Amino acid sequence: KAGVTQTPRYLIKTRGQQVTLSCSPISGHRSVSWYQQTPGQGLQFLFEYFSETQRNKGNFPGRFSGRQFSNSRSEMNVSTLELGDSALYLCASSLPGSAKNIQYFGAGTRLSVL
Amino acid sequence: KQEVTQIPAALSVPEGENLVLNCSFTDSAIYNLQWFRQDPGKGLTSLLLIQSSQREQTSGRLNASLDKSSGRSTLYIAASQPGDSATYLCATALVGGAQKLVFGQGTRLTINP
Repeated sequence: KAGVTQTPRYLIKTRGQQVTLSCSPISGHRSVSWYQQTPGQGLQFLFEYFSETQRNKGNFPGRFSGRQFSNSRSEMNVSTLELGDSALYLCASSLPGSAKNIQYFGAGTRLSVL
Repeated sequence: KQEVTQIPAALSVPEGENLVLNCSFTDSAIYNLQWFRQDPGKGLTSLLLIQSSQREQTSGRLNASLDKSSGRSTLYIAASQPGDSATYLCATALVGGAQKLVFGQGTRLTINP
């Protein structure tokens, strides 16, 4: 069974640009969550999608948005990039309703904003 | 607001030692608590998940315990090996937000041969 796949693995952008990151969950998983990891703030929850609907949202500005498609694949978009957006972005998929509700993480997309 | 703290931030021990990593949290209304491992520049690997109704979970040389009343969890690693070197993170999911994990800052573990 394939794991969580994130593309691209690395991105370099300049301030003011926008970026779209992609996440393909484990087959059968309908919940996808996104996290931002930085050395200063650690891992922080961005948002979670389930059946194409955002169910939970973290404390990030509106420049961060996401969506989920009918096949459960998810995209995250960051507009008007700032230097502080440089981070490792991780997505995780899970099977809500399962006994354990383990979240499985992808390898991440490393975004550098210059 | 849930806050998760991990102590120590870094730990270096010789190979073969048994060790304990600590995690504390402020809100005891948790759905579950997970321990993860992260290798440099990589994603997270789930090690153990403890449901709120459980006291401990074991997998191989790893044992995690949970004490909700005191807001603490420990990860015990037996007979440490150099391959155990990584950052270990604990994360809680609250009731009503099971997919929204709140992470500690992690403990960076180095096992010296």
